[in-house]
Amino acid sequence: DAGVIQSPRHEVTEMGQEVTLRCKPISGHDYLFWYRQTMMRGLELLIYFNNNVPIDDSGMPEDRFSAKMPNASFSTLKIQPSEPRDSAVYFCASSQLLDGANYGYTFGSGTRLTVV
Amino acid sequence: DAKTTQPTSMDCAEGRAANLPCNHSTISGNEYVYWYRQIHSQGPQYIIHGLKNNETNEMASLIITEDRKSSTLILPHATLRDTAVYYCIVQATGTASKLTFGTGTRLQVTL
Repeated sequence: DAGVIQSPRHEVTEMGQEVTLRCKPISGHDYLFWYRQTMMRGLELLIYFNNNVPIDDSGMPEDRFSAKMPNASFSTLKIQPSEPRDSAVYFCASSQLLDGANYGYTFGSGTRLTVV
Repeated sequence: DAKTTQPTSMDCAEGRAANLPCNHSTISGNEYVYWYRQIHSQGPQYIIHGLKNNETNEMASLIITEDRKSSTLILPHATLRDTAVYYCIVQATGTASKLTFGTGTRLQVTL
């Protein structure tokens, strides 16, 4: 398995532009998570999906952020319009329950976003 | 609210055992203890988890006290590649939701 695949690895954009981050979870995993990491705030959970349905988006900072999961193999995180304070590393992770137990999340390599 | 407490940083000589402590005094009966690590510029990596029994896998051992209020992650023979931030997290059984990361312990393995 190729693991969780995120694209792009790096993104530099100008303030006000739309940014779309992409994630392909591990096949068979029914949970998908979006995290953001900054030096100041550490790793923050933004939103997570179960069976393609958003379950908890309380971590989404503003209406400028939106996430979708149109099918089990693809998710996007969109920022529109982007601002310099959105600069961070964005991680996608996936997981599944086996016999009622969670055997850990698998994280992607992240997308480093810089908004200038 | 932080559910775990870890030292901010630790050092370990290469080849020696690294013992990383974690306090989780308010852990509930249905909560597992999970350990992850994050090597610089990479995504977090799952290491091990346990409920009340000690656990061992190819990466590490997890020792949980009988009262479950604390645990220790043991890397038996640390190498330079084990230099990372190690996170101890508690999460309820039967859910894969809302894994909340604290600040973790920064382990520096030295020659």
